[in-house]
Amino acid sequence: KQEVTQIPAALSVPEGENLVLNCSFTDSAIYNLQWFRQDPGKGLTSLLLIQSSQREQTSGRLNASLDKSSGRSTLYIAASQPGDSATYLCAVRGSGGSNYKLTFGKGTLLTVNP
Amino acid sequence: GAVVSQHPSWVICKSGTSVKIECRSLDFQATTMFWYRQFPKQSLMLMATSNEGSKATYEQGVEKDKFLINHASLTLSTLTVTSAHPEDSSFYICSAQGTGNTYGYTFGSGTRLTVV
Repeated sequence: KQEVTQIPAALSVPEGENLVLNCSFTDSAIYNLQWFRQDPGKGLTSLLLIQSSQREQTSGRLNASLDKSSGRSTLYIAASQPGDSATYLCAVRGSGGSNYKLTFGKGTLLTVNP
Repeated sequence: GAVVSQHPSWVICKSGTSVKIECRSLDFQATTMFWYRQFPKQSLMLMATSNEGSKATYEQGVEKDKFLINHASLTLSTLTVTSAHPEDSSFYICSAQGTGNTYGYTFGSGTRLTVV
């Protein structure tokens, strides 16, 4: 059974700082990995999608890496802004028979202080 | 980009009544839709998977007679919480996948259900 762990559970940083969020998964047989952002009381916004054959993806100030063999992914946020404050969720999609299912981590609550 | 619309965004109902939540894919056809439940400060838990034109597949521990899912078209799935009780109060989120396997999942904005 796939398990996804996100560290840290919460992070508070001053504006302008670069930061890294970590995601680890127990079963390396994944189809892809997706990072989401969730604002309080809202749905999920997809940030980056990394296919199992890829090593990283970039979008603006965000960079996500994937090391499938070690079961790890990181989300790097450059020059953080107060508007980046949200919960960041990592989810993996399995490559087996139930390959459509996403397994989520519990998320990292990020607070960027002005 | 792919957009999923979910309605209502919040609803309050009395115990014993039923509530229907709609999930629509606005600019793509969703062959598969998913319904999640999220408790405060917890992650998303998959409740069921629905494929257009066929019965939904429920996760272990989810009562299919209580959480009725209908996916009658490629753009609409509905979740009906029947005979709602206060313990059903939660945040429900749907997601959809387009017809290409390389795509990620797009999520709706969620529905906050409060049963009083």
